[in-house]
Amino acid sequence: AQKITQTQPGMFVQEKEAVTLDCTYDTSDQSYGLFWYKQPSSGEMIFLIYQGSYDEQNATEGRYSLNFQKARKSANLVISASQLGDSAMYFCAMREGGSGTYKYIFGTGTRLKVLA
Amino acid sequence: GAGVSQSPRYKVAKRGQDVALRCDPISGHVSLFWYQQALGQGPEFLTYFQNEAQLDKSGLPSDRFFAERPEGSVSTLKIQRTQQEDSAVYLCASSLARGAGGYTFGSGTRLTVV
Repeated sequence: AQKITQTQPGMFVQEKEAVTLDCTYDTSDQSYGLFWYKQPSSGEMIFLIYQGSYDEQNATEGRYSLNFQKARKSANLVISASQLGDSAMYFCAMREGGSGTYKYIFGTGTRLKVLA
Repeated sequence: GAGVSQSPRYKVAKRGQDVALRCDPISGHVSLFWYQQALGQGPEFLTYFQNEAQLDKSGLPSDRFFAERPEGSVSTLKIQRTQQEDSAVYLCASSLARGAGGYTFGSGTRLTVV
Protein backbone atom coordinates (compact mmCIF):
# COMPACT_ATOMS: atom_id res chain seq x y z
CA ALA A 1 0.00 0.00 0.00
CA GLN A 2 1.11 3.54 -0.68
CA LYS A 3 2.28 5.32 2.42
CA ILE A 4 4.22 8.37 3.55
CA THR A 5 5.95 8.31 6.92
CA GLN A 6 7.20 11.37 8.80
CA THR A 7 8.72 10.25 12.08
CA GLN A 8 9.46 13.67 13.58
CA PRO A 9 6.34 15.19 15.15
CA GLY A 10 8.29 18.31 16.13
CA MET A 11 11.66 19.89 15.43
CA PHE A 12 13.53 22.92 16.73
CA VAL A 13 16.25 24.78 14.86
CA GLN A 14 18.22 27.89 15.63
CA GLU A 15 17.75 30.81 13.28
CA LYS A 16 20.24 30.83 10.38
CA GLU A 17 21.05 27.13 10.80
CA ALA A 18 20.08 24.29 8.48
CA VAL A 19 17.49 21.65 9.35
CA THR A 20 16.51 18.33 7.78
CA LEU A 21 12.93 17.03 7.91
CA ASP A 22 12.63 13.31 7.31
CA CYS A 23 10.25 11.56 4.94
CA THR A 24 10.11 7.96 3.80
CA TYR A 25 7.63 6.53 1.35
CA ASP A 26 6.32 3.23 0.13
CA THR A 27 4.94 2.53 -3.31
CA SER A 28 4.97 -0.18 -5.93
CA ASP A 29 4.67 2.33 -8.76
CA GLN A 30 7.67 3.15 -10.92
CA SER A 31 6.39 6.62 -11.75
CA TYR A 32 5.60 8.94 -8.88
CA GLY A 33 6.26 12.42 -7.57
CA LEU A 34 7.33 13.57 -4.14
CA PHE A 35 6.34 16.95 -2.76
CA TRP A 36 6.84 19.08 0.29
CA TYR A 37 4.24 21.55 1.49
CA LYS A 38 4.37 24.13 4.26
CA GLN A 39 1.26 24.84 6.29
CA PRO A 40 1.46 27.99 8.44
CA SER A 41 -1.11 28.72 11.10
CA SER A 42 -3.29 30.43 8.47
CA GLY A 43 -4.09 26.95 7.17
CA GLU A 44 -3.27 26.99 3.50
CA MET A 45 -0.83 24.48 2.06
CA ILE A 46 2.08 26.18 0.32
CA PHE A 47 3.95 24.18 -2.31
CA LEU A 48 7.71 24.17 -1.69
CA ILE A 49 9.46 21.62 -3.86
CA TYR A 50 8.92 18.64 -6.16
CA GLN A 51 11.01 15.59 -7.07
CA GLY A 52 10.07 13.17 -9.82
CA SER A 53 10.92 9.51 -9.44
CA TYR A 54 12.96 9.56 -12.63
CA ASP A 55 14.86 12.73 -11.81
CA GLU A 56 18.51 11.96 -11.27
CA GLN A 57 19.39 15.25 -9.66
CA ASN A 58 18.08 16.37 -6.29
CA ALA A 59 15.56 19.20 -6.58
CA THR A 60 16.41 22.63 -5.22
CA GLU A 61 14.28 25.75 -4.82
CA GLY A 62 16.03 28.64 -3.16
CA ARG A 63 16.71 27.66 0.45
CA TYR A 64 14.89 24.34 0.03
CA SER A 65 16.47 21.18 -1.29
CA LEU A 66 15.17 17.65 -1.45
CA ASN A 67 17.57 14.86 -0.56
CA PHE A 68 16.18 12.05 -2.73
CA GLN A 69 17.51 8.55 -2.05
CA LYS A 70 15.47 6.25 -4.24
CA ALA A 71 16.90 2.96 -3.05
CA ARG A 72 16.14 3.89 0.55
CA LYS A 73 12.77 5.39 -0.44
CA SER A 74 13.49 8.61 1.35
CA ALA A 75 12.82 12.20 0.35
CA ASN A 76 14.10 14.45 3.11
CA LEU A 77 13.62 18.22 3.00
CA VAL A 78 16.61 20.39 3.84
CA ILE A 79 16.00 24.01 4.75
CA SER A 80 19.16 26.09 4.80
CA ALA A 81 19.64 29.33 6.71
CA SER A 82 16.40 28.98 8.70
CA GLN A 83 14.29 32.05 9.23
CA LEU A 84 11.67 32.80 11.89
CA GLY A 85 9.03 32.73 9.16
CA ASP A 86 9.86 29.08 8.48
CA SER A 87 8.05 28.08 11.67
CA ALA A 88 5.10 25.99 10.46
CA MET A 89 3.87 22.45 9.81
CA TYR A 90 5.63 20.67 6.97
CA PHE A 91 4.02 17.85 5.04
CA CYS A 92 5.63 15.35 2.73
CA ALA A 93 3.34 14.00 0.01
CA MET A 94 3.48 11.46 -2.77
CA ARG A 95 1.54 11.57 -5.99
CA GLU A 96 1.23 8.47 -8.09
CA GLY A 97 0.59 8.54 -11.79
CA GLY A 98 -0.85 5.05 -11.97
CA SER A 99 -4.12 5.91 -10.29
CA GLY A 100 -5.08 8.33 -13.05
CA THR A 101 -6.26 10.86 -10.51
CA TYR A 102 -2.86 12.14 -9.47
CA LYS A 103 -4.09 12.60 -5.94
CA TYR A 104 -1.73 13.21 -3.05
CA ILE A 105 -1.04 10.92 -0.13
CA PHE A 106 0.23 12.97 2.78
CA GLY A 107 2.29 12.14 5.84
CA THR A 108 1.30 13.24 9.33
CA GLY A 109 3.57 16.26 9.24
CA THR A 110 6.44 17.77 11.22
CA ARG A 111 6.00 20.94 13.23
CA LEU A 112 9.10 23.11 12.87
CA LYS A 113 9.91 25.86 15.32
CA VAL A 114 12.70 28.30 14.48
CA LEU A 115 14.31 29.86 17.54
CA ALA A 116 15.68 33.40 17.57
CA GLY B 1 -8.75 35.25 -8.86
CA ALA B 2 -5.15 35.12 -7.79
CA GLY B 3 -5.55 32.09 -5.54
CA VAL B 4 -7.98 29.38 -4.48
CA SER B 5 -10.77 30.87 -2.42
CA GLN B 6 -12.81 28.89 0.08
CA SER B 7 -15.87 29.95 2.02
CA PRO B 8 -16.93 30.09 4.71
CA ARG B 9 -13.65 30.22 6.57
CA TYR B 10 -15.30 28.78 9.68
CA LYS B 11 -18.55 26.90 10.07
CA VAL B 12 -20.21 25.65 13.24
CA ALA B 13 -23.03 23.19 12.64
CA LYS B 14 -25.34 21.40 15.01
CA ARG B 15 -25.29 17.65 14.70
CA GLY B 16 -27.77 16.61 12.04
CA GLN B 17 -27.57 19.88 10.13
CA ASP B 18 -26.64 20.01 6.43
CA VAL B 19 -23.68 22.17 5.37
CA ALA B 20 -22.29 23.40 2.05
CA LEU B 21 -18.67 24.39 1.58
CA ARG B 22 -17.61 26.41 -1.43
CA CYS B 23 -14.39 26.38 -3.43
CA ASP B 24 -13.46 28.96 -6.06
CA PRO B 25 -10.41 27.61 -7.94
CA ILE B 26 -7.92 29.62 -9.93
CA SER B 27 -9.49 30.66 -13.22
CA GLY B 28 -8.72 28.17 -15.96
CA HIS B 29 -7.65 25.38 -13.65
CA VAL B 30 -9.04 22.13 -14.95
CA SER B 31 -8.30 19.89 -11.97
CA LEU B 32 -9.95 20.36 -8.59
CA PHE B 33 -9.45 18.29 -5.46
CA TRP B 34 -11.12 18.19 -2.04
CA TYR B 35 -9.22 17.01 1.03
CA GLN B 36 -10.24 16.51 4.65
CA GLN B 37 -7.72 17.33 7.38
CA ALA B 38 -8.49 16.12 10.88
CA LEU B 39 -6.78 17.83 13.80
CA GLY B 40 -3.10 16.89 13.98
CA GLN B 41 -3.22 14.84 10.80
CA GLY B 42 -2.22 15.24 7.20
CA PRO B 43 -4.89 15.95 4.60
CA GLU B 44 -6.78 12.98 3.20
CA PHE B 45 -8.18 12.80 -0.32
CA LEU B 46 -11.92 13.05 -0.75
CA THR B 47 -12.70 13.61 -4.41
CA TYR B 48 -11.37 14.85 -7.75
CA PHE B 49 -12.91 16.77 -10.65
CA GLN B 50 -11.61 17.31 -14.13
CA ASN B 51 -13.67 20.22 -15.38
CA GLU B 52 -17.25 19.30 -14.46
CA ALA B 53 -16.66 15.55 -14.39
CA GLN B 54 -16.17 13.91 -11.01
CA LEU B 55 -13.59 11.29 -11.95
CA ASP B 56 -12.74 9.97 -8.51
CA LYS B 57 -14.87 10.00 -5.37
CA SER B 58 -13.20 7.08 -3.67
CA GLY B 59 -12.24 9.12 -0.62
CA LEU B 60 -15.72 10.28 0.34
CA PRO B 61 -16.29 8.68 3.75
CA SER B 62 -20.01 8.06 3.41
CA ASP B 63 -23.03 8.75 1.23
CA ARG B 64 -23.67 11.81 3.39
CA PHE B 65 -20.84 13.52 1.48
CA PHE B 66 -21.57 14.89 -1.94
CA ALA B 67 -19.54 17.16 -4.22
CA GLU B 68 -20.35 18.93 -7.46
CA ARG B 69 -18.76 21.26 -9.98
CA PRO B 70 -21.56 21.83 -12.46
CA GLU B 71 -19.89 24.37 -14.75
CA GLY B 72 -16.33 23.25 -14.33
CA SER B 73 -15.29 26.15 -12.12
CA VAL B 74 -16.77 26.65 -8.63
CA SER B 75 -17.20 23.48 -6.59
CA THR B 76 -19.39 22.75 -3.60
CA LEU B 77 -18.86 20.04 -1.01
CA LYS B 78 -22.06 19.18 0.78
CA ILE B 79 -22.33 17.19 3.97
CA GLN B 80 -25.76 15.99 4.99
CA ARG B 81 -26.83 15.19 8.57
CA THR B 82 -23.45 16.24 9.97
CA GLN B 83 -21.90 14.18 12.75
CA GLN B 84 -19.17 15.03 15.23
CA GLU B 85 -16.60 12.97 13.34
CA ASP B 86 -17.09 15.29 10.37
CA SER B 87 -15.33 18.06 12.32
CA ALA B 88 -12.19 18.87 10.34
CA VAL B 89 -10.63 21.37 7.98
CA TYR B 90 -11.79 20.89 4.41
CA LEU B 91 -9.17 21.93 1.87
CA CYS B 92 -9.68 22.56 -1.81
CA ALA B 93 -6.83 22.49 -4.34
CA SER B 94 -6.70 23.25 -8.03
CA SER B 95 -4.28 22.73 -10.86
CA LEU B 96 -3.99 23.68 -14.50
CA ALA B 97 -3.86 19.98 -15.34
CA ARG B 98 -3.63 16.85 -13.27
CA GLY B 99 -0.09 15.81 -12.66
CA ALA B 100 1.25 19.27 -13.47
CA GLY B 101 3.56 20.49 -10.74
CA GLY B 102 2.38 21.37 -7.28
CA TYR B 103 -1.27 22.04 -6.67
CA THR B 104 -2.52 25.35 -5.27
CA PHE B 105 -4.50 25.00 -2.07
CA GLY B 106 -7.02 27.30 -0.47
CA SER B 107 -6.96 28.23 3.22
CA GLY B 108 -9.68 25.72 3.98
CA THR B 109 -12.98 25.71 5.81
CA ARG B 110 -12.84 24.67 9.45
CA LEU B 111 -16.03 22.75 10.23
CA THR B 112 -16.98 22.15 13.84
CA VAL B 113 -19.99 19.96 14.54
CA VAL B 114 -21.48 20.43 18.01
